[in-house]
Amino acid sequence: DAGVTQSPTHLIKTRGQQVTLRCSPKSGHDTVSWYQQALGQGPQFIFQYYEEEERQRGNFPDRFSGHQFPNYSSELNVNALLLGDSALYLCASSWQKLNYGYTFGSGTRLTVV
Amino acid sequence: DQQVKQNSPSLSVQEGRISILNCDYTNSMFDYFLWYKKYPAEGPTFLISISSIKDKNEDGRFTVFLNKSAKHLSLHIVPSQPGDSAVYFCAAHAGGTSYGKLTFGQGTILTVHP
Repeated sequence: DAGVTQSPTHLIKTRGQQVTLRCSPKSGHDTVSWYQQALGQGPQFIFQYYEEEERQRGNFPDRFSGHQFPNYSSELNVNALLLGDSALYLCASSWQKLNYGYTFGSGTRLTVV
Repeated sequence: DQQVKQNSPSLSVQEGRISILNCDYTNSMFDYFLWYKKYPAEGPTFLISISSIKDKNEDGRFTVFLNKSAKHLSLHIVPSQPGDSAVYFCAAHAGGTSYGKLTFGQGTILTVHP
């Protein structure tokens, strides 16, 4: 049973560019959350998608946006990249009716130069 | 505003001994707490959790204790094994409409020496 799959695993972008990260949830899961983990810090909640809508959002600017598709997969888009956006981006999936059963992917390491 | 804090960046213990990882929180709305373990190049893996209505939960070598009055929880690993060496994150979930938002601590690097 495949867990949460994220792509790509690593990415290097230039300041000002835009980036799209992708996440396929664990089989049976319908909810996707995105987290940003800066070096030496714990993951920080960006937002969560359920039924193709953003259900909750953390303290991140509008440059961060997302999307959920009918097959429950999700994308995270970041516009106008800043050096400070360099981090590990984690996707976590869960089943809406089991609020705490989060499964995390291995993440996408984004480096902005 | 760091609502979940793990004040010890690192912990080193001998194999077979007890490892105690600590976590403090400030938000009284937190109703569920989780511990995750993270190896390099992998995502966090769920370890154990506890509801705010309980004060202890045990799963094999892992026990989590919750002291609500002190807003403090701890993870005990007995006996510690070299394979337990990883970064441990404490996370908390607030009730109501917070849905899936987890608030994480900064993590504690546990090293278990053979």
